[in-house]
Amino acid sequence: GNSVTQMEGPVTLSEEAFLTINCTYTATGYPSLFWYVQYPGEGLQLLLKATKADDKGSNKGFEATYRKETTSFHLEKGSVQVSDSAVYFCALRASTGTASKLTFGTGTRLQVTL
Amino acid sequence: EPEVTQTPSHQVTQMGQEVILRCVPISNHLYFYWYRQILGQKVEFLVSFYNNEISEKSEIFDDQFSVERPDGSNFTLKIRSTKLEDSAMYFCASKGAGTNYGYTFGSGTRLTVV
Repeated sequence: GNSVTQMEGPVTLSEEAFLTINCTYTATGYPSLFWYVQYPGEGLQLLLKATKADDKGSNKGFEATYRKETTSFHLEKGSVQVSDSAVYFCALRASTGTASKLTFGTGTRLQVTL
Repeated sequence: EPEVTQTPSHQVTQMGQEVILRCVPISNHLYFYWYRQILGQKVEFLVSFYNNEISEKSEIFDDQFSVERPDGSNFTLKIRSTKLEDSAMYFCASKGAGTNYGYTFGSGTRLTVV
């Protein structure tokens, strides 16, 4: 079946440091890939997505590129801020339909300090 | 911005009791979902609901679970006889029709079974 593997956290960085959170997936066909973020006390919010190979999703300075050859969708940001502290979830949606369920990774907690 | 609202934010219940978790999806959305996250584990899909019936469910969603959209606005998850292992964060999500709509998640209900 489909699965998503994320690097374990927590990840602790100083402000302005470079961020990478690794995500790899297993799926048949051509899934869509997502990054969700959960700030304390809030729901899961869509951060970015990519729907086909080599697409790059970007939002709020975060980027991720859909790499089919390595089945990866790593999240990056060039300079993190304290306000980026949150839990980040990588997820995929199977290619069977635009309303199909999401399959999530375990989430990676990011803590950014001054 | 439209939100998915979940109530209560935290519920404590005794083992064997019935609980109902409530969600108000975005009004023009057509697809509804429940997910759960046991502490420290993956966000897991439970069930999807469309056109007043279950469209997909996971192995977790056994006879103890049921969903309902009783009045066209609320979307509920009922657990008939709670077990200790049902303790988790439960997320509701909704989605509109078409590829341009993403999934919108609520902030979750933390269920603690004692």
